[in-house]
Amino acid sequence: DVKVTQSSRYLVKRTGEKVFLECVQDMDHENMFWYRQDPGLGLRLIYFSYDVKMKEKGDIPEGYSVSREKKERFSLILESASTNQTSMYLCASSLGNREEQYFGPGTRLTVT
Amino acid sequence: AQSVTQLDSQVPVFEEAPVELRCNYSSSVSVYLFWYVQYPNQGLQLLLKYLSGSTLVKGINGFEAEFNKSQTSFHLRKPSVHISDTAEYFCAVRAAGNKLTFGGGTRVLVKP
Repeated sequence: DVKVTQSSRYLVKRTGEKVFLECVQDMDHENMFWYRQDPGLGLRLIYFSYDVKMKEKGDIPEGYSVSREKKERFSLILESASTNQTSMYLCASSLGNREEQYFGPGTRLTVT
Repeated sequence: AQSVTQLDSQVPVFEEAPVELRCNYSSSVSVYLFWYVQYPNQGLQLLLKYLSGSTLVKGINGFEAEFNKSQTSFHLRKPSVHISDTAEYFCAVRAAGNKLTFGGGTRVLVKP
């Protein structure tokens, strides 16, 4: 079974803090993705990566950055957390263009 | 840019009754189509996918979906729901590259 794990299920941070969300997949997938999920808006793509050290902006990259130093690990960074970044964050990975994405359990981030 | 519309944000349904979740997309090119399910406090799991071939696709847990190119739709159906089908369901489309575009989600509440 493909396994995608995320470092925290719940996280509470203060405005202005730097926040790291970690994602690890164990199936040697090339592609990895970060989404945020908000009620009524579905999932929106923040960033994705198709190879180590490669990254591309998704639909809502503002206020976020990412890092992919190893194939299995994809980190999402909030440089200075703000209250409007309170959300559920989901990581996913996939093998190729035709393959489905496999999702982690999500991190519910609250910024106060 | 492509978009995905899930016409119903919530669908209440009685146990053992049929359910249909509607999904329409906008894209002028060939697409891959997916339905995912999210149970409470979990990540997304793939229910089924359409890549090519037969327009009727069968998935897990008794779900099926029909791809209609002329109507740009990919509606999800189950003939008889169980309490355990209570979840949020997401339709997603991939037109080119690795990016998925998700609909806003449909919450299904199965009542005894």
